[in-house]
Amino acid sequence: GNSVTQMEGPVTLSEEAFLTINCTYTATGYPSLFWYVQYPGEGLQLLLKATKADDKGSNKGFEATYRKETTSFHLEKGSVQVSDSAVYFCALSVPPGNTGKLIFGQGTTLQVKP
Amino acid sequence: GAGVSQSPSNKVTEKGKDVELRCDPISGHTALYWYRQSLGQGLEFLIYFQGNSAPDKSGLPSDRFSAERTGGSVSTLTIQRTQQEDSAVYLCASSHQGGRETQYFGPGTRLLVL
Repeated sequence: GNSVTQMEGPVTLSEEAFLTINCTYTATGYPSLFWYVQYPGEGLQLLLKATKADDKGSNKGFEATYRKETTSFHLEKGSVQVSDSAVYFCALSVPPGNTGKLIFGQGTTLQVKP
Repeated sequence: GAGVSQSPSNKVTEKGKDVELRCDPISGHTALYWYRQSLGQGLEFLIYFQGNSAPDKSGLPSDRFSAERTGGSVSTLTIQRTQQEDSAVYLCASSHQGGRETQYFGPGTRLLVL
């Protein structure tokens, strides 16, 4: 079946530290991969996405590269800010007959301290 | 423009009662999704609509759960004879046409079954 595994949190970092949140997937086809973020008290927002192998998604200083050989889509940021504190979800959707439904990982809580 | 809206934002009900949750997608979006976010199960897909039809209902957890969409717009998720394990945040998302397109999430309805 299709599934997503994320590193367990919480992840606690100091401001300006380097961030990596690991995400690996299992999929029967060729999935599209996503990172969603949920800030405190807010709804889920798309952070970035990649639709084919070796694509790099990027937004707000965050990056993730679609690695088919390692079935991974790790999220990275070079210098985190307090405002990045949130819950991060890795997700996939799988064609064919692609409804677009998302399969999510368990989420990783990031806390950035000043 | 307006985003996805959901109502009510919070709902407290007694075990055994029926509840209706409403979703107003972004205007012009033909694809609509319901998800559930709970502590034990994380984020789970429930049902997908394309227009008024639901080609994928595979995530509905039991026959107590049903959903409909009318006029290609508003959707209602109904839970009959609520149980305590139904307590969760119910999220609605819409996208322009489904598939690989970005899904935009509403703020959710927090359901508590006493």
